[in-house]
Amino acid sequence: GNSVTQMEGPVTLSEEAFLTINCTYTATGYPSLFWYVQYPGEGLQLLLKATKADDKGSNKGFEATYRKETTSFHLEKGSVQVSDSAVYFCALSDRGNQGGKLIFGQGTELSVKP
Amino acid sequence: ETGVTQSPTHLIKTRGQQVTLRCSSQSGHNTVSWYQQALGQGPQFIFQYYREEENGRGNFPPRFSGLQFPNYSSELNVNALELDDSALYLCASSTGTSNTEAFFGQGTRLTVV
Repeated sequence: GNSVTQMEGPVTLSEEAFLTINCTYTATGYPSLFWYVQYPGEGLQLLLKATKADDKGSNKGFEATYRKETTSFHLEKGSVQVSDSAVYFCALSDRGNQGGKLIFGQGTELSVKP
Repeated sequence: ETGVTQSPTHLIKTRGQQVTLRCSSQSGHNTVSWYQQALGQGPQFIFQYYREEENGRGNFPPRFSGLQFPNYSSELNVNALELDDSALYLCASSTGTSNTEAFFGQGTRLTVV
C-alpha cells in the first residue's frame, strides 16, 4: 500500500543554519504531497503542498519539490529560526477507495537553538 | 486559525467507557476526516464523512464510529475504550473528498485509564 517515510529526528540546528528533512513515498498513481507542521500542544497546520511532478511548494521560506523519479519531497529552508522549532510531517493524499485520506510519515522533530 | 474547532480539548475516561468527540468544520467545507495520533507518531486515518455519508475507513475496529450532521459538523464515537485508545484525535475539514487541502483542528487529547 501507499506509505511515507521521513528521516528520523530529533534534528537540532543552530539559528540561521540550513535545514533539510528528507521524505520519500510509495504510491500508485499520482498523489498530491504535503508538508504539515505541528507546534507543541496544537493541531496540524498545512505548510506547503505540490499536486504534480516537478511542482515546487513554498511558504514562509520553506520549499519542497515533487520528484517523481526519486519519489521524494524533501523539505528545505535556507535559514532556520528558533520559532521554526516544531514537528514536521510529510503526507500524501491517497485517492484510492478510501475517499482521499491523507497518509502521514512518522514526523521529524526540529529543535532550533539560538 | 483554521476555523475547525474540536471539543473537548482534553478528556479522561476509564477503560470500558464510551466517548464522543465533536468537530465543527470550516465554513463552506462539506467533508470531515478523523485521525488518531498516538504519542510520537504520525496521524492515522480513521474515517471520512462526505455529505453525511461515510466515505472511506482506515484500519480501525467497528467500535470507532461517526456521524456527520446537515451542517457538516461531525462526531467521533468510541465504545468499549481500551488503554491503547489514548491519543490525540484530530479532525480535518475540506471541500470534496480529494484532500487537496485539509484544515485541521487543534485536537482532543483522550486519556484512557
